Amino acid sequence: GAGVSQTPSNKVTEKGKYVELRCDPISGHTALYWYRQSLGQGPEFLIYFQGTGAADDSGLPNDRFFAVRPEGSVSTLKIQRTERGDSAVYLCASSLMGAGGPTDTQYFGPGTRLTVL
Amino acid sequence: AQSVSQHNHHVILSEAASLELGCNYSYGGTVNLFWYVQYPGQHLQLLLKYFSGDPLVKGIKGFEAEFIKSKFSFNLRKPSVQWSDTAEYFCAVNAVQGAQKLVFGQGTRLTINP
Repeated sequence: GAGVSQTPSNKVTEKGKYVELRCDPISGHTALYWYRQSLGQGPEFLIYFQGTGAADDSGLPNDRFFAVRPEGSVSTLKIQRTERGDSAVYLCASSLMGAGGPTDTQYFGPGTRLTVL
Repeated sequence: AQSVSQHNHHVILSEAASLELGCNYSYGGTVNLFWYVQYPGQHLQLLLKYFSGDPLVKGIKGFEAEFIKSKFSFNLRKPSVQWSDTAEYFCAVNAVQGAQKLVFGQGTRLTINP
């Protein structure tokens, strides 16, 4: 079946602009995660949704970052007043239940490469 | 807070050589452990995972990892590597209780020379 998809694959924007990044999880997965991966680093957690609600947003770096998942499926990560330091690959992952059990694997999408000029 | 350390940033091997990539984690509670792989131009894929039971875990493509609780380690091994194993490898943990977020190490780039 279809995996996690993310759009756009690449986004170039200017400093100070607003961007939206979209994630389509695997159908039926209730848990959705956003991570950010800077060059030469491993992915860093941003936010976790269980259904429509943000169960853990402790990784959001500041209030310029916001994410929604209004119908419990597609999620949008929103970044206001972008800064050059926001340049990274933004990864989305989904899992069946988010309960952390042996079958609850996080499946990753291809990512959106954001470049802020 | 949890943290993960991968000792090797870049490993270069010849085909048929044996591989061991180190991973150590820091966390006071019980964890689940994972190795993910990212082949060139592809997205992160799960290689193997440990939740409980036998500390020696076998994954896809001949990889295995051993959880040594006393050493807080989860090293990845493969007895004989192939050119197609060239990729970036990430170790990750999450807490059994509480937050389900994955905490990743910085990754190890593996280059296999034919």
